[in-house]
Amino acid sequence: DAMVIQNPRYQVTQFGKPVTLSCSQTLNHNVMYWYQQKSSQAPKLLFHYYDKDFNNEADTPDNFQSRRPNTSFCFLDIRSPGLGDAAMYLCASRTGLNTEAFFGQGTRLTVV
Amino acid sequence: DAKTTQPTSMDCAEGRAANLPCNHSTISGNEYVYWYRQIHSQGPQYIIHGLKNNETNEMASLIITEDRKSSTLILPHATLRDTAVYYCIVRVRMDSSYKLIFGSGTRLLVRP
Repeated sequence: DAMVIQNPRYQVTQFGKPVTLSCSQTLNHNVMYWYQQKSSQAPKLLFHYYDKDFNNEADTPDNFQSRRPNTSFCFLDIRSPGLGDAAMYLCASRTGLNTEAFFGQGTRLTVV
Repeated sequence: DAKTTQPTSMDCAEGRAANLPCNHSTISGNEYVYWYRQIHSQGPQYIIHGLKNNETNEMASLIITEDRKSSTLILPHATLRDTAVYYCIVRVRMDSSYKLIFGSGTRLLVRP
């Protein structure tokens, strides 16, 4: 059974049109991560939540925002997508001090 | 943040052991080493993690040097399905949480 679910798997959006990607987890994990992975590159951390505490990476563009309305759900908002934002977006969750993170299958974003 | 260095690519024969090295010379004393793999277009899959002792599970073994500056992931009997990109990751401690910083990864090709 999938534990970290990302919707949709594929998203096409227009240049400059706001888009929201969704992630949910059924594990009651307190930490959730968002990564951006461009073609042939390693995943790059954008930000993460520890409970409600938001931690933004220093080099994450302002164009990227996130919301976590409750423990289970986390959203990635791209306010004005550019062509360079086309990528796979990965969500992960974990809990505890010495545990692994579980990743979703990702949302592949195309900007046209 | 601690960084990791991995070979860009490796290959091994099916049924043989695959030994994937990782350098993490700037790792701090309380930072864990995690290994994940990613099969094309899927989310990363957890393999194993450790702090300073060698670890083994049903998927792999992790050998960490005594000075903790490097580690090796061992897949004891590689199969074709083990063909993937393998990421060595250092879990970095923050004030109230942890983040996972991916290295560049090693593309492992298992040959028939």
